[in-house]
Amino acid sequence: DIQMTQSPSSLSASVGDRVTITCQASQAMSNYLNWYQQKPGKAPKLLIYDASNLEKGVPPRFSGSGSGTDFTFTISNLQPEDFATYYCQQYDTFPLTFGGGTKVDIK
Amino acid sequence: EVQLLESGGGLVQPGGSLRLSCAASGFTFSSFAMSWVRQAPGKGLEWVSALSGSGGRTYYADSVKGRFTISRDNSKYTLYLQMNNVGAEDTALYYCATHAGIVVAPVIYGHWGQGTLVTVSS
Repeated sequence: DIQMTQSPSSLSASVGDRVTITCQASQAMSNYLNWYQQKPGKAPKLLIYDASNLEKGVPPRFSGSGSGTDFTFTISNLQPEDFATYYCQQYDTFPLTFGGGTKVDIK
Repeated sequence: EVQLLESGGGLVQPGGSLRLSCAASGFTFSSFAMSWVRQAPGKGLEWVSALSGSGGRTYYADSVKGRFTISRDNSKYTLYLQMNNVGAEDTALYYCATHAGIVVAPVIYGHWGQGTLVTVSS
């Protein structure tokens, strides 16, 4: 199984900040790595697919990069509506696995 | 507009059974593989099971293999999850989600329902 280690588990940031979240896979994988945003009481929402592709309708302040075992998710110019929990998810190999999540809250 | 509406959750005793449903609308249901993903209270996301658009290929997490069965009725635009021999560890909000196409991969969850809560307790 591919384990996804996501860090940090939480962070505090201010509006306008640049935020970076990482996901490390337990073994090398293809770029089959997605990022989701989840707000309290809501279903997750797809932001980035295949490591670096922005989902349609998602603001370009969200971006993703990485390869092999190390993947990065970045929010540039953090907005009030971005305070949420973010998850990575790999589909290189079954079983599908998610990272543990990163809660982004207001400093 | 794509809509996914889960139902069938509730309180079930340990060792009991439950069947979840996910009613789909707004897209050609048979053209998309589907998954169940769950989230225990206050915890992260956990993939449970996936099924191809035709229903011919199924995949399960080890934690549910042999106890849960995923299926679909394309004529009714409905996805199911039959849950047997449930335990406290199955307590969670269960989401259904669409894949990117008719085959299971790529597993890119473009649309999610709002979830149905399953509570396992005596």
